[in-house]
Amino acid sequence: NAGVTQTPKFRVLKTGQSMTLLCAQDMNHEYMYWYRQDPGMGLRLIHYSVGEGTTAKGEVPDGYNVSRLKKQNFLLGLESAAPSQTSVYFCASSKIQGGGYTFGSGTRLTVV
Amino acid sequence: DQQVKQNSPSLSVQEGRISILNCDYTNSMFDYFLWYKKYPAEGPTFLISISSIKDKNEDGRFTVFLNKSAKHLSLHIVPSQPGDSAVYFCAASSPDMRFGAGTRLTVKP
Repeated sequence: NAGVTQTPKFRVLKTGQSMTLLCAQDMNHEYMYWYRQDPGMGLRLIHYSVGEGTTAKGEVPDGYNVSRLKKQNFLLGLESAAPSQTSVYFCASSKIQGGGYTFGSGTRLTVV
Repeated sequence: DQQVKQNSPSLSVQEGRISILNCDYTNSMFDYFLWYKKYPAEGPTFLISISSIKDKNEDGRFTVFLNKSAKHLSLHIVPSQPGDSAVYFCAASSPDMRFGAGTRLTVKP
């Protein structure tokens, strides 16, 4: 039972580079989310999806794009990385909106 | 604008005693409240939840209390065990989910 899998686990980027974080879930959940965790800030929602082919902005969407072409995958893209995007990124999924989430183990991203 | 606040960054308790973690919220539209537990290098895991129509929910050693008039919820762990040492996040849903900054609980043997 894999649950939610995030790749990669660690990444170092130079300012201006781009990358894509992949999230995959095998629970047939409709809802998927991308959060970032920063010290003293808790988890902040970047983007989310309520089903295949849909995406919506969260609290801190600037500088990120997302896509959900398949129900099981939710991709987070950084087009031009900035040091302010240094963070730990968590993907989550849920059966219903607002219910208990299943989180991945996180991606630690450093932008230098 | 932090709508969910955990004002205690850390808490230390002795094994066997009660741990009480607190959380305050500002948005009266929240209708579902949750607690997550997080170990280092892992994602948060769902622990316990409560609907806004209830004031208490219990699951084994864990009990969550909700005081809607005070916009306050708390998580009680009795008895506390060393394995409970982790960061605990409070969350509230409307249905968009907002998280607090977390409280690091240390349970000393």
